[in-house]
Order: sequence, then structure tokens, then C-alpha cells
Amino acid sequence: GAVVSQHPSRVICKSGTSVKIECRSLDFQATTMFWYRQFPKQSLMLMATSNEGSKATYEQGVEKDKFLINHASLTLSTLTVTSAHPEDSSFYICSATRGLGTDTQYFGPGTRLTVL
Amino acid sequence: GENVEQHPSTLSVQEGDSAVIKCTYSDSASNYFPWYKQELGKGPQLIIDIRSNVGEKKDQRIAVTLNKTAKHFSLHITETQPEDSAVYFCAASNTGNQFYFGTGTSLTVIP
Repeated sequence: GAVVSQHPSRVICKSGTSVKIECRSLDFQATTMFWYRQFPKQSLMLMATSNEGSKATYEQGVEKDKFLINHASLTLSTLTVTSAHPEDSSFYICSATRGLGTDTQYFGPGTRLTVL
Repeated sequence: GENVEQHPSTLSVQEGDSAVIKCTYSDSASNYFPWYKQELGKGPQLIIDIRSNVGEKKDQRIAVTLNKTAKHFSLHITETQPEDSAVYFCAASNTGNQFYFGTGTSLTVIP
């Protein structure tokens, strides 16, 4: 299989706090992981691409200092939403590819973030 | 950059009928076209994909066709069942790993 997990599945936090979301590839090594954001009834919006051991590449308009991405190992990437505000409330989804030259993305179950 | 358009945005079919969702893309360099099914509150699940060296691919009740000349590809679901109800997304990629997603189709299968 190609299973990707995310933790937590849901998180509620107060405005101004930071939240960390983990993305793990459970049965394969993921050279590349992607972070998406999805608003209700809309498509997936790519936020950043991360390769193990290197800095993430952020899409235009995504604040790298607000959305910190770390890809420390071949099976784990984390997204930290710093100083969260209500407008950061969204559904965050990660995906992973098996390796270089393979482009099939396997998605995690998503994390629902609500900032009060 | 790549632009992927998806139609229709909503689709209702009677159980047992077929459903067809169409996507067009703009970048002739795109060579990988996956389809994802997303249920409410869950992440997208890959259901079928096709590469540009193939014109059609089938997996049980699901098939995808690709017309490289016209730059469009379609998802076909036959003998639809209520559990097929979900949002379906198409995507295009040029093996640079970045996916360009369509806007999604909300499919409702009426029992």
C-alpha cells in the first residue's frame, strides 16, 4: 500500500498560539511531501513542497514564516502554523510521493484546524 | 503554467446509471493525469490514473480516457452506487511532481 497519516485529525486553538501538524508515510519512504490547504467546497491549494533534508519551497503568497515546514526524515514532515488567527482556520492536507521520478501523490486524511 | 478545467461542478445520477466527468488541460508537457475521490471531511483518495502514452485505462467500474491532441481526459463510472457519491478531482502533472487540480465535481448518486 501507500498509506499517509496525519495527526491530529482535528485541532482547536486560541488566536495567537502555534499548532503543529504531523504527516507520516507509514509504509514507504517519501522523498517529497506536499502541504495543501482546502477551503469548504473548493479545490486543493498547494502551499509548499518539501524534500527531505532541505528547505521547503513555498508557493507564491504563502508566508514561510507563518507556515513552518520541516521534513526531517523520509517518513515525517511537519507543518507549524505560528501565531494562528481565525483566518488560518481551514482543512490542511499533506501528500507524499514514493521517490524521485515517481509522481503519484498519496494523500493523508487531513487536519481540520479551527482558530478561535 | 498549467490550467486544468473540470466539468460539471455538480452531477446527479440515478443509481445504476453512468457518470462522466471531463477535464481539460493547457500544458502539452503534462503527461500524468490522476483522479481522486474525496469524501466529506477526508483526504483525497487516488482511484485511477493514466499516463500520456496510454489512451484508456479501466479498473472494474471506473475508466479514464485521454485525448492528448485535444488535451482532455475523462472519468467514467458505470453502474453507479450510492457509495460513489463524493467530490471527484482531476489533476495534471508534468512529472515535476507538482499537481494542478481541477475545481472538483460533486457527484450524487440517487438510490
